[in-house]
Amino acid sequence: GESVGLHLPTLSVQEGDNSIINCAYSNSASDYFIWYKQESGKGPQFIIDIRSNMDKRQGQRVTVLLNKTVKHLSLQIAATQPGDSAVYFCAELGGHSGYSTLTFGKGTMLLVSP
Amino acid sequence: DAGVTQSPTHLIKTRGQQVTLRCSPKSGHDTVSWYQQALGQGPQFIFQYYEEEERQRGNFPDRFSGHQFPNYSSELNVNALLLGDSALYLCASSLLRGGYTFGSGTRLTVV
Repeated sequence: GESVGLHLPTLSVQEGDNSIINCAYSNSASDYFIWYKQESGKGPQFIIDIRSNMDKRQGQRVTVLLNKTVKHLSLQIAATQPGDSAVYFCAELGGHSGYSTLTFGKGTMLLVSP
Repeated sequence: DAGVTQSPTHLIKTRGQQVTLRCSPKSGHDTVSWYQQALGQGPQFIFQYYEEEERQRGNFPDRFSGHQFPNYSSELNVNALLLGDSALYLCASSLLRGGYTFGSGTRLTVV
């Protein structure tokens, strides 16, 4: 399985900056991807999703980009706020026989300074 | 509307003991999945229950077992606990094809 040990990649930004968090996925057959935000002591929280027939999707202050050629996802957060500080995970929805499961990528810790 | 509820929130067990964790799914959801999240890592899929049966299983030993009840709630059991089982255990409920909602997890510490 994927592992980053005890040291998550960390992105440190100033409040008001734009943040870009990247993720590589492994299964070229995956057709649905989700970004999650996980705050300390909480479970993952849905941010935004994208299907493989799209290359870009926008939400409120967030944009997800999908590059299927290089199996890469990115999450862009506009005007980052201190409340955005958390660990961010991308996940692929896969499975077989009609049952779906989530496979999480390596997380990135986002630290936003006031 | 309550989301996913997990109990207990924290638990300390001794090596070799057995533990049972509980999950109540979000209202309207019929599928429950369990994940193990070690410190500093992403959640790893353990197994998924639908219609009271295990439908999919990740790469976890038979020491990990589960159950789903007619009201869709679920239990995760771990036997013969090892130090390496210390982790945050997350329950996610969904409909069969997605729409996952996660609980806040149970923090298990094995000493």
